[in-house]
Amino acid sequence: NAGVTQTPKFQVLKTGQSMTLQCAQDMNHEYMSWYRQDPGMGLRLIHYSVGAGITDQGEVPNGYNVSRSTTEDFPLRLLSAAPSQTSVYFCASSPRGDPRDTQYFGPGTRLTVL
Amino acid sequence: AQTVTQSQPEMSVQEAETVTLSCTYDTSESDYYLFWYKQPPSRQMILVIRQEAYKQQNATENRFSVNFQKAAKSFSLKISDSQLGDAAMYFCARGGATNKLIFGTGTLLAVQP
Repeated sequence: NAGVTQTPKFQVLKTGQSMTLQCAQDMNHEYMSWYRQDPGMGLRLIHYSVGAGITDQGEVPNGYNVSRSTTEDFPLRLLSAAPSQTSVYFCASSPRGDPRDTQYFGPGTRLTVL
Repeated sequence: AQTVTQSQPEMSVQEAETVTLSCTYDTSESDYYLFWYKQPPSRQMILVIRQEAYKQQNATENRFSVNFQKAAKSFSLKISDSQLGDAAMYFCARGGATNKLIFGTGTLLAVQP
């Protein structure tokens, strides 16, 4: 199993550009989520999904869109990038939306918005 | 706001010694879970240990153990026999009825040879 994969590893955008961060898992996990990590602030939840076709907002959803058309994939879209979105983004998955489940994190994407 | 607080931005320990990382949290839920994650320079988030709030017994995983004080909302991590590979950022996190995690700001642990 590859686990949770994220692409790209690094990305530089200009303000106003759009892009999609890719996340995929091959563990047949129902639950997937996106976090951002900023210096001195820990990880904060952006969006999450409890299954294909179901998504919901986390703590910091503004400026981001998600969709979940398949169990395996959970892309994160930035429609108009802003410097405040410069961060490291982590995707995570777990078997169900049960807090007893271990969440598996991807390796992260470092995004810089100029 | 339901928060997780790590009051030690940085800690240092000698190899083979013991170190304790502190964490306090706030929650209105009666059933919740607490976690310690390790993030080495590779950025990979690795689960170190998990505690279920309804269990009074403190969780242990090899050299890692927790001191869970539910009334005080305290959840500290003890690392025994510290090794160079333990050097990393450590995050305390709380999960509730769903699998949404709230993280603390992290403690950077240095291990001195």
